[in-house]
Amino acid sequence: QVQLVQSGAEVKKPGASVKVSCKTSGYTFTNYYMHWVRQAPGQGLEWVGIIKTSAGSTTYAQKFQGRLTMTRDTSTSTVYMELSSLRSEDTAVYYCARRGSALGQDMDVWGNGTTVTVSS
Amino acid sequence: SNELTQPPSVSVSPGQTASITCSGDILGDRSASWYQQKPGQSPMMVIYQDNKRPSGIPERFSGSNSGNIATLTISGTQAMDEADYYCQAWDTSGVVFGGGTKLTVL
Repeated sequence: QVQLVQSGAEVKKPGASVKVSCKTSGYTFTNYYMHWVRQAPGQGLEWVGIIKTSAGSTTYAQKFQGRLTMTRDTSTSTVYMELSSLRSEDTAVYYCARRGSALGQDMDVWGNGTTVTVSS
Repeated sequence: SNELTQPPSVSVSPGQTASITCSGDILGDRSASWYQQKPGQSPMMVIYQDNKRPSGIPERFSGSNSGNIATLTISGTQAMDEADYYCQAWDTSGVVFGGGTKLTVL
């Protein structure tokens, strides 16, 4: 079955960087784009960006431009999200989510989430 | 504007029909998706492309989109449907989520 398994929780200091991984299985990795979505404590869902896994091209939400990098490793069917210059407002659960269809940019399978805590 | 607006909360009695709305200009020419999220869990897609149900989602979940308003309808609501629900669409700026609606079954 399709699975997205994310790396474990991280605690970082302000100004540091964090890199979260999302290892996929159960489908052809390069046939699907991958979204990243985050959720701050007690808040709603916020779109972070998307990567085209076949080509490695990316589109980021405007607010993360300049400090966000998404990459992928086709040999291990894994996508990565790295966020730099962390601040307390980046404290959130980060999810990878497979894009189901181009028409709706929907997210048909979600990872288990990675908690990132930014604290001095 | 690329905002999507949802009511913060909706209450429904067991067995009744719950409707959750999502309004926004981008829904005029984009399709909507809906996600269910229970406490401590990852979101799960329940409707995509306005009215399609993924495999495994009960038939009591349905969706529509007309006149800049998308609606998620849960017929014969069950206690297990109590959760947060988020609508989602996209435009040239990227993906947009609604603020979420807490559905209470009481």
